Amino acid sequence: DGGITQSPKYLFRKEGQNVTLSCEQNLNHDAMYWYRQDPGQGLRLIYYSQIVNDFQKGDIAEGYSVSREKKESFPLTVTSAQKNPTAFYLCASSTDRGGGNEQFFGPGTRLTVL
Amino acid sequence: DAKTTQPNSMESNEEEPVHLPCNHSTISGTDYIHWYRQLPSQGPEYVIHGLTSNVNNRMASLAIAEDRKSSTLILHRATLRDAAVYYCILRPYSGGGADGLTFGKGTHLIIQP
Repeated sequence: DGGITQSPKYLFRKEGQNVTLSCEQNLNHDAMYWYRQDPGQGLRLIYYSQIVNDFQKGDIAEGYSVSREKKESFPLTVTSAQKNPTAFYLCASSTDRGGGNEQFFGPGTRLTVL
Repeated sequence: DAKTTQPNSMESNEEEPVHLPCNHSTISGTDYIHWYRQLPSQGPEYVIHGLTSNVNNRMASLAIAEDRKSSTLILHRATLRDAAVYYCILRPYSGGGADGLTFGKGTHLIIQP
């Protein structure tokens, strides 16, 4: 079945450590996105990528980094520079950037900094 | 970016229709109206989208006002599985800058058995 997978589902890290969240899609989508969601809030865009080897900052990119070396994969690294990293992280993809295209979301990774 | 306004919460009974409103008075002529819903601890799920005309799919209907300043998501016969947070989002026809989906707090739909 086609879809988006994120791993791990739950992640714990110590303060000051970098951590990488995985996102893989087999939908052959060009565009991929990372969002952050805090309790009771909507989603905020961290980074997005329109095509392999290209990505752009979203609204809250500080303290995060990404790579897009393969079409299927868009990993997110939460660095120690991120002041408040505890959150629910969601990855999404769409066929392209066009506004008429729906986004497909993964199940999310819940990151907790101890 | 154009913004949307939704009620914080709504309550309905099972097997009755539900009308979820969304105001988007600053919508531009090329913004699509998207609806997503999210269950607790899950990723959002696409529901429906439209540009100018009303739209129907297997999940719901989308009624768009003639001036496009508001829209209504219609669930024709609510079930307990429809209890979720529903987000109304505007998305530009062709992205410029960060064109991901900007989600507000949405409407928390409660379905009573």
